[in-house]
Amino acid sequence: AQKVTQAQTEISVVEKEDVTLDCVYETRDTTYYLFWYKQPPSGELVFLIRRNSFDEQNEISGRYSWNFQKSTSSFNFTITASQVVDSAVYFCALVAGGTSYGKLTFGQGTILTVHP
Amino acid sequence: DTGVSQDPRHKITKRGQNVTFRCDPISEHNRLYWYRQTLGQGPEFLTYFQNEAQLEKSRLLSDRFSAERPKGSFSTLEIQRTEQGDSAMYLCASSSLGDPPGELFFGEGSRLTVL
Repeated sequence: AQKVTQAQTEISVVEKEDVTLDCVYETRDTTYYLFWYKQPPSGELVFLIRRNSFDEQNEISGRYSWNFQKSTSSFNFTITASQVVDSAVYFCALVAGGTSYGKLTFGQGTILTVHP
Repeated sequence: DTGVSQDPRHKITKRGQNVTFRCDPISEHNRLYWYRQTLGQGPEFLTYFQNEAQLEKSRLLSDRFSAERPKGSFSTLEIQRTEQGDSAMYLCASSSLGDPPGELFFGEGSRLTVL
């Protein structure tokens, strides 16, 4: 069975601050994929990034960066210079090789509020 | 708009009534998923279709729940004899066979409130 834990229920920051969202996962599979999704107030989840278990290279996309560390089973997400539009619920998710690739296991989510 | 659309967006019903939700995926997507999200939790997988075939069902999908995708296009999720514990957001997502793993396109959800 897979499990994803996002220990931070809510985070509140002021605009332009950097913020890191933590994600810890559990799986016995050696092949798996990790994801971050964003859920704005409108409700639809928006895909942000996918990493596979064989690629620990960190990734940066604009103000977003992701730190994948297999040794600690973590896949953390950092927003640099946060903006009000970043306010949303962020979910970390996992899918293991061998199962349906649409059967994601999501964490509980972290509510991020960015104040002006 | 060519995204995933769900209808109705909100449904309030009394306990014991039946409800049905509809999902129209992105037109070229042959995979369709239903998830349930309760307040303060992440989405939980319910079921998955490839074309019209229902390939996987979660244990969360009790016998009061039934999902169909009769022509491999839109899908319906019916809940019979609703209970208060069914109150949740029901999310539909779709993807194409060639899409990278786990990269799903979600609709805005159908929120169910059972009184």
